[in-house]
Amino acid sequence: EDQVTQSPEALRLQEGESSSLNCSYTVSGLRGLFWYRQDPGKGPEFLFTLYSAGEEKEKERLKATLTKKESFLHITAPKPEDSATYLCAVLKTSYDKVIFGPGTSLSVIP
Amino acid sequence: KAGVTQTPRYLIKTRGQQVTLSCSPISGHRSVSWYQQTPGQGLQFLFEYFSETQRNKGNFPGRFSGRQFSNSRSEMNVSTLELGDSALYLCASSGAGTSGYNEQFFGPGTRLTVL
Repeated sequence: EDQVTQSPEALRLQEGESSSLNCSYTVSGLRGLFWYRQDPGKGPEFLFTLYSAGEEKEKERLKATLTKKESFLHITAPKPEDSATYLCAVLKTSYDKVIFGPGTSLSVIP
Repeated sequence: KAGVTQTPRYLIKTRGQQVTLSCSPISGHRSVSWYQQTPGQGLQFLFEYFSETQRNKGNFPGRFSGRQFSNSRSEMNVSTLELGDSALYLCASSGAGTSGYNEQFFGPGTRLTVL
């Protein structure tokens, strides 16, 4: 069965303390993996798309990487405004539905 | 470029009633997907419409239905509301076309409360 898991469920960091979030998937024939950020009461905000193992994308303090089994979202020197829930999602084929993971709730303490 | 818009933003209904939610995608996007988000279940896929046709469907009962119009705007309807239908309903649009699927852009959601 196609599945997406994320760890940890919740993460609390001090401002400036770098860390990584994990997204593991069991999907045959991955077409794409997406990362989103969601603030409370709002819709998810698109961050990155990764298509193949070894690919990396960066945006400000965030860097996403992809292997054949998992993806990591690295957060370097986080700030309080990075506090949010980070969601990953996978797509099997170009015309299939997107499967979301449960998310990691990140809190960055000043 | 205007983002995805959803109306209404908040709704309060009672059990047994029905509700219709509306979504206007980003201009030029032809794919619209609907999701239900609850604290316990996370983001659950409801259905996707592309060029007025339902292309994918999630595992929800028939009380949940949708449609898409020729201008790509979409509506979803929930009939005979139950308490468990209380959730944030999210709409996402994508520029997916004949070249395949692209990333989705989400609207702010409609918060539905069923009493």
